Amino acid sequence: DAGITQSPRHKVTETGTPVTLRCHQTENHRYMYWYRQDPGHGLRLIHYSYGVKDTDKGEVSDGYSVSRSKTEDFLLTLESATSSQTSVYFCAISQGGGYQPQHFGDGTRLSIL
Amino acid sequence: SQQGEEDPQALSIQEGENATMNCSYKTSINNLQWYRQNSGRGLVHLILIRSNEREKHSGRLRVTLDTSKKSSSLLITASRAADTASYFCATDDRGSTLGRLYFGRGTQLTVWP
Repeated sequence: DAGITQSPRHKVTETGTPVTLRCHQTENHRYMYWYRQDPGHGLRLIHYSYGVKDTDKGEVSDGYSVSRSKTEDFLLTLESATSSQTSVYFCAISQGGGYQPQHFGDGTRLSIL
Repeated sequence: SQQGEEDPQALSIQEGENATMNCSYKTSINNLQWYRQNSGRGLVHLILIRSNEREKHSGRLRVTLDTSKKSSSLLITASRAADTASYFCATDDRGSTLGRLYFGRGTQLTVWP
């Protein structure tokens, strides 16, 4: 399995609080992605990174920010969590962007009350 | 939206039978990928098929791609109980190499012993 670790694996927090999810990889892959998975929607891309400090928005980026200060870590931040951001969040990595498969972590289950 | 759509949403078969899942998408692609997700886990890559390929095999998996119809199918032969999972197709953007993927809502496959 690709070396991807997501932390925390589970989190419960309150509306209005900031939340940061971490994705750590040991594969030295250039590309990293954050998705959310909700019933009836499949996976939707939030943000992605194509190199250190190079990031861009995905389909559902409103309310989220990301940072990548080193190759192995990609952070997803909810500045002020809302109940609509309750979801399962997946990080993925890829060696070659669009022409290579993505390898996924096991997800973070986030509940916002 | 480029989002793929899988059909059927759910499929229930006996061990030993073949399972066929279909995917349709809306715009031109570089490649199409199929992923599997076991309950509570991240997605696992199965097959990547490029837009200039028509068929690809991997073990008991056979994927076809018809770019004129913007559709793909995944065939699992001689299904096993361990194949029980959700299966997703994912497409990219024809004009991009950054690996932005658009996932469908998935097909839930149940294989009964």
